Amino acid sequence: SQQGEEDPQALSIQEGENATMNCSYKTSINNLQWYRQNSGRGLVHLILIRSNEREKHSGRLRVTLDTSKKSSSLLITASRAADTASYFCATVPTDSWGKFQFGAGTQVVVTP
Amino acid sequence: GAVVSQHPSWVICKSGTSVKIECRSLDFQATTMFWYRQFPKQSLMLMATSNEGSKATYEQGVEKDKFLINHASLTLSTLTVTSAHPEDSSFYICSAAYLTQETQYFGPGTRLLVL
Repeated sequence: SQQGEEDPQALSIQEGENATMNCSYKTSINNLQWYRQNSGRGLVHLILIRSNEREKHSGRLRVTLDTSKKSSSLLITASRAADTASYFCATVPTDSWGKFQFGAGTQVVVTP
Repeated sequence: GAVVSQHPSWVICKSGTSVKIECRSLDFQATTMFWYRQFPKQSLMLMATSNEGSKATYEQGVEKDKFLINHASLTLSTLTVTSAHPEDSSFYICSAAYLTQETQYFGPGTRLLVL
């Protein structure tokens, strides 16, 4: 069953704006990862945050993790048209190491 | 990052035929490979986990006789959809992981259309 739930389901913004999406999950996790998927393609790993970390940065990406609320957020700053894609969070529950559970995804459209 | 390839990238077949999809890790040895299925505008659903040299572990609700998985080497896993039917039409994605399996590297996916 899918554990992560992303919100919003869809997001439409203009180039230069920031995009924020959230992910909630239900069980204890080892880590949480964010992936990007362009239409009809495979997934590209963006960033991993471990359960003992609260915030992580990678280029224009900022990820936060709040294990008490069982939620994470992904912020893309200064978005570009090339950021148009679906973004998924994947959790790795502590009781099923290696088995990713994906959320439903947030579809982001960045218009020039 | 690590590169995972899938072949073919798309396949159209007649109902009743079997289709084999290959997943290869090109620059690392994958101790574990995963097979996912994705319907349009939906998330990925894990179908099975395969470890090199052992039988695959299937998720609940996935028919092991329908979706045959072989992980014969550390760089190759195959998924065979046997006696495919239109409801098997989907996007199949594999991923590969090494040892700790902390990160999975995904293939580009295979789109299957069964007529």
